[in-house]
Amino acid sequence: DSGVTQTPKHLITATGQRVTLRCSPRSGDLSVYWYQQSLDQGLQFLIQYYNGEERAKGNILERFSAQQFPDLHSELNLSSLELGDSALYFCASSVVERGGLNEQFFGPGTRLTVL
Amino acid sequence: DAKTTQPTSMDCAEGRAANLPCNHSTISGNEYVYWYRQIHSQGPQYIIHGLKNNETNEMASLIITEDRKSSTLILPHATLRDTAVYYCIVRVGSYSGGSNYKLTFGKGTLLTVNP
Repeated sequence: DSGVTQTPKHLITATGQRVTLRCSPRSGDLSVYWYQQSLDQGLQFLIQYYNGEERAKGNILERFSAQQFPDLHSELNLSSLELGDSALYFCASSVVERGGLNEQFFGPGTRLTVL
Repeated sequence: DAKTTQPTSMDCAEGRAANLPCNHSTISGNEYVYWYRQIHSQGPQYIIHGLKNNETNEMASLIITEDRKSSTLILPHATLRDTAVYYCIVRVGSYSGGSNYKLTFGKGTLLTVNP
């Protein structure tokens, strides 16, 4: 158990819909990272927040957005969903602003299925 | 980032050592070798990393060749719970800034530990 929690565990929805994924970082961690993992693309970095502020963007679509709240939990919003958005979405957290690969702790993920 | 090459799959008997190879012939002098694993659809888990010296922790050992063009992850006494996909990643260290903290990986090695 990494200490990072994600809800829901599974999400099934239809094309065109909007969903919100939630992440609670480990106690004391200020950075939250969102990743998408699909069969054909592997693991891809989406976006990072540190203490409520956006710090870095990766391959995140304009239909996707995220935010980190004062209590440090984060939400990833996916809208106008397409079949290709079906994937595992992971959240990771770290104490430092730019956590190295050995400093990020991953949550169990949310499996999104778009029908 | 330097490209890595790993076998698609490997088998290992329970209780025996599992040796997972990785080729990274284009590695730069300031790039570290990181190993992660992912048990079926769970969040990625950091295992170990190193620059040029061999490293050991409670999970595994990392052997890096003198020319740093390849490395081997060793799980000394594999258990059934070690069945997972193992990823070898080459990246500059966290102190180097840039985008080194953005974890990405594609294919790895599916290690199956058999009873």
